Amino acid sequence: EVVLTQSPGTLSLSPGERGTLSCRASQRIGGDYLAWYQLKRGQAPRLLIYSAVYRATGIPARFSGTGSGTDFTLTISRLEPEDVAVYYCQQYGSTSIFGQGTKVEIK
Amino acid sequence: EVQLLESGGGLVQPGGSLRLSCAASGFTFKAYAMSWVRQAPGKGLEWVSALNDGGYNTYYADSVKGRFTISRDNSKSTLFLQMNSLTPEDTAVYYCAKDGRGWYEGPFDLWGQGTLVTVSS
Repeated sequence: EVVLTQSPGTLSLSPGERGTLSCRASQRIGGDYLAWYQLKRGQAPRLLIYSAVYRATGIPARFSGTGSGTDFTLTISRLEPEDVAVYYCQQYGSTSIFGQGTKVEIK
Repeated sequence: EVQLLESGGGLVQPGGSLRLSCAASGFTFKAYAMSWVRQAPGKGLEWVSALNDGGYNTYYADSVKGRFTISRDNSKSTLFLQMNSLTPEDTAVYYCAKDGRGWYEGPFDLWGQGTLVTVSS
């Protein structure tokens, strides 16, 4: 079974700063079936990125996804205060596995 | 408005049962696979179970297999999760999530706000 390891555990950024979140898979993810979600306290989780690189409907352009195979990255180009959340990567397809999450906070 | 609304959570004793519901609105519920995903306190997300659009293909995580049953009523746009033989390890916020297709594959493009299940004596 694939294990997804996210780093860092916590990312402290100033507003306007660029943030890079990593998701590393223990095995190659076929079809690049890798998604990113945003979880804010008390809110419904939100799909940000699917198939590693495609933004979901309504997601601001400051969020971007890159990577393939085993190494994937979510980048927030300029942090907004409303981006404070926990971000999870997910392998989907024949099974659904989540990483342990990266918490993004305002410095 | 396109949304999912979970209900049915609460406090239950170990060994007890609970039935969660998820009411869908704003989209053609019967056309999409649905899943339940949970988040234990202080932990990450864990996929629990999935069901295809017609309700005849079911999938379960090993941690709940044999104890939980997923089902749906397409005439009422509602997803269910029957949870039996509950243990404290099942304590979590349970989210229902919509798949992008009629079969279980992911990703999950719409989520509810969750319902809290607490298993404790």
